[in-house]
Amino acid sequence: DGGITQSPKYLFRKEGQNVTLSCEQNLNHDAMYWYRQDPGQGLRLIYYSQIVNDFQKGDIAEGYSVSREKKESFPLTVTSAQKNPTAFYLCASRPFRELNTEAFFGQGTRLTVV
Amino acid sequence: GQQLNQSPQSMFIQEGEDVSMNCTSSSIFNTWLWYKQDPGEGPVLLIALYKAGELTSNGRLTAQFGITRKDSFLNISASIPSDVGIYFCAGQPLIQGAQKLVFGQGTRLTINP
Repeated sequence: DGGITQSPKYLFRKEGQNVTLSCEQNLNHDAMYWYRQDPGQGLRLIYYSQIVNDFQKGDIAEGYSVSREKKESFPLTVTSAQKNPTAFYLCASRPFRELNTEAFFGQGTRLTVV
Repeated sequence: GQQLNQSPQSMFIQEGEDVSMNCTSSSIFNTWLWYKQDPGEGPVLLIALYKAGELTSNGRLTAQFGITRKDSFLNISASIPSDVGIYFCAGQPLIQGAQKLVFGQGTRLTINP
């Protein structure tokens, strides 16, 4: 079945460590996104990518890094520079070449700093 | 970053009641999307709107793309317990070359049986 897969579902990180969250899609979508969600809050855009080997910063990119080496994959690294990384992280994808399209989300990764 | 104003922030209703929520923006959008999120899960798309004035239904859900292109509403009729969750609006700004989706802050729906 086509869809977006995020892994792991739960992730624990020690302070000072970098961690990488996985996002894979087999929908043949061009654009992929990473959002952060804090309790009781909406979704804030971290990074997005419209094509392979290209990505742009969103509203809260500091302390995060991404890569887009393959169309299907858009991993997010939470670096030690992110001072408050505990949150729910959501990956989404959508077609890019069509003007008006829906975005589809993965199941999310809950990151906790211990 | 660009913001959408979604209201109300929370709703407490009785089962069977109708629900209405809306999103507004200071700028023009060319796409409006409505999502529902259950606890610990990713948002699931409910309704997509692409034309000003468009009115679309999905079962008990109805959403409209405002004629000014700066707002949208979602109605849920005859609410049932499984409607509980957080509802988000999302919009695609009318900015050429950009594919960013902007999200509202969400409406948390609680239903008393």
